[in-house]
Amino acid sequence: KAGVTQTPRYLIKTRGQQVTLSCSPISGHRSVSWYQQTPGQGLQFLFEYFSETQRNKGNFPGRFSGRQFSNSRSEMNVSTLELGDSALYLCASSSGAGGGYEQYFGPGTRLTVT
Amino acid sequence: GQNIDQPTEMTATEGAIVQINCTYQTSGFNGLFWYQQHAGEAPTFLSYNVLDGLEEKGRFSSFLSRSKGYSYLLLKELQMKDSASYLCAVRDQEYGNKLVFGAGTILRVKS
Repeated sequence: KAGVTQTPRYLIKTRGQQVTLSCSPISGHRSVSWYQQTPGQGLQFLFEYFSETQRNKGNFPGRFSGRQFSNSRSEMNVSTLELGDSALYLCASSSGAGGGYEQYFGPGTRLTVT
Repeated sequence: GQNIDQPTEMTATEGAIVQINCTYQTSGFNGLFWYQQHAGEAPTFLSYNVLDGLEEKGRFSSFLSRSKGYSYLLLKELQMKDSASYLCAVRDQEYGNKLVFGAGTILRVKS
């Protein structure tokens, strides 16, 4: 089985722009979660989608949004980028939501905001 | 709220045993995960505990005490490739079962 894929792998944007990141889960997985990882804050939960529905949302401003498509692929969007949004954005998929379902992480998208 | 504490860094010698502790405070505990993350790579799953006790998987074992809000990851026969960050993560039913990660413990294995 192919693993979780994320595109693009690297991205440089200017403050004020917006960005869309994409995640394709492992085939058959219906749950996709997004995380932001920075050296200072560690892994911070952004949101979780299951069967096209957002099940959970972390404590991030409304500039961060996401969606999941019928094929379980997911996108997250960040509008009006700020310097502090520079981070590694990780997507993880699992066969179910919550409980003991193991999450498989993608390689991440490294976003740099200048 | 949720609070997950792990030591920031640890150093151990190749071939030795190391224990990485994790303490947590949650309102609706619903499972604890350990992940390994090498520098520049994505986290990979190591273990899952939801009931008290020890789960063993090869050189890695994880222990959970729900009454104490405490877990540890035990790594035996340390190898240089075990040098990585180890992340403790807790599912909390009070927060929609989202997975909350600790800051991670950087383990350095020296020869």
